[in-house]
Amino acid sequence: GENVEQHPSTLSVQEGDSAVIKCTYSDSASNYFPWYKQELGKGPQLIIDIRSNVGEKKDQRIAVTLNKTAKHFSLHITETQPEDSAVYFCAAQPSNTGNQFYFGTGTSLTVIP
Amino acid sequence: NAGVTQTPKFRILKIGQSMTLQCTQDMNHNYMYWYRQDPGMGLKLIYYSVGAGITDKGEVPNGYNVSRSTTEDFPLRLELAAPSQTSVYFCASINKAPYEQYFGPGTRLTVT
Repeated sequence: GENVEQHPSTLSVQEGDSAVIKCTYSDSASNYFPWYKQELGKGPQLIIDIRSNVGEKKDQRIAVTLNKTAKHFSLHITETQPEDSAVYFCAAQPSNTGNQFYFGTGTSLTVIP
Repeated sequence: NAGVTQTPKFRILKIGQSMTLQCTQDMNHNYMYWYRQDPGMGLKLIYYSVGAGITDKGEVPNGYNVSRSTTEDFPLRLELAAPSQTSVYFCASINKAPYEQYFGPGTRLTVT
């Protein structure tokens, strides 16, 4: 099955700096790549996603890039704010597994004021 | 709309006890999922359902059972609780497109 690896596991940045989280996947059939933000005591919430026919997608301070050849995708957060502090998960969905999602192990982001 | 709701929020079980984790969604979504989240790990899929009457195993189904008699409800059953089932359980749902997955608030289960 699909294997998603995520790095780093923890990340600390100064407020206003950028943060980058990287994920790799193994199954070339994966064609949908969502990113989730999980705040303490809550369920994950989708913040941005990208499909395999697109190389980059941006939504205000958040962007995601996808390199299908290398099988990796990244989350970029610019002008970080303390409220960006949370755990971020990447995921991949292969087109041939009936809508199953495979998650990375998470990145705990801390934005230092 | 309430979205995805889960009950209970917390539960402590003794080894060998059984319980049902409830999940309900009011968005008329076809697909529903159960995940477990262990510390420092991502979410692992336990079971999922693509519609009423249809369920299928995910990555870690052993020790669990599910049913899907209605579109709205997708309960998860633990028959003989074991310490290895101590985890936080999340239910989620999506429509077939545009694939945004909505998660419930989670159930924190401890088995001692």
